Amino acid sequence: QVQVVESGGALVKPGGSLRLSCAASGFTFGDYYMNWIRQAPGKGLEWISSISPSGRAISVADSVKGRFTLSRDNAKNSVYLQIDSLRAEDTALYYCAKKRRDVFNFDYWGQGTLVTVSS
Amino acid sequence: SYELTQPPSVSVAPGETATITCGGNNIGRTHVHWYQQKLGQAPVTVIYDDRDRPSGVPERFSGSNSGNTATLTVTRVEAGDEADYYCQVWDSNTDHYVFGTGTKVIVL
Repeated sequence: QVQVVESGGALVKPGGSLRLSCAASGFTFGDYYMNWIRQAPGKGLEWISSISPSGRAISVADSVKGRFTLSRDNAKNSVYLQIDSLRAEDTALYYCAKKRRDVFNFDYWGQGTLVTVSS
Repeated sequence: SYELTQPPSVSVAPGETATITCGGNNIGRTHVHWYQQKLGQAPVTVIYDDRDRPSGVPERFSGSNSGNTATLTVTRVEAGDEADYYCQVWDSNTDHYVFGTGTKVIVL
């Protein structure tokens, strides 16, 4: 069955950096777009970034452009989110999600990894 | 940027029908997807492409989309339907995904 597992969340000081990882299994990873979506405590869902199957096409939300970098390693069935210049408003649960084939919908989500930015 | 507006909450008695709206400029021209998020859990798709149900989602969940409003309808509401519901679209102009503001469904 499909599994998506995030890791790497931590308590970080403002201005710091963090690399989140997402390991997937149960499907042909190299055939699908992968995405990161975050949810601040008590708030709604915010799409962050998307990466194409080859890794050549990356889209990033305006709110994090220039600080967040998405990459993937199809040999390791993994996608990574590098977060730099962390701010308090980046505090959130970060979800990794697989895009459904031919549909702009996220059909499988992980349970999320928590990033807390605080001094 | 494209915005999707949902009512903050909808209250419904068990057995009745919950209607959740998602407003956006000409939203009827794109496909809308709906997610259910129960407390402490990751979101789960209940409707994709306006009206399609993933396997395992009860027929009580249905969707429609026209003009400036998409709608998620839950008939014969059960206590287990209490959750936050989010609509979502893909904005072809920016290649960005957009989520609605979210609606908390309260089962009385």
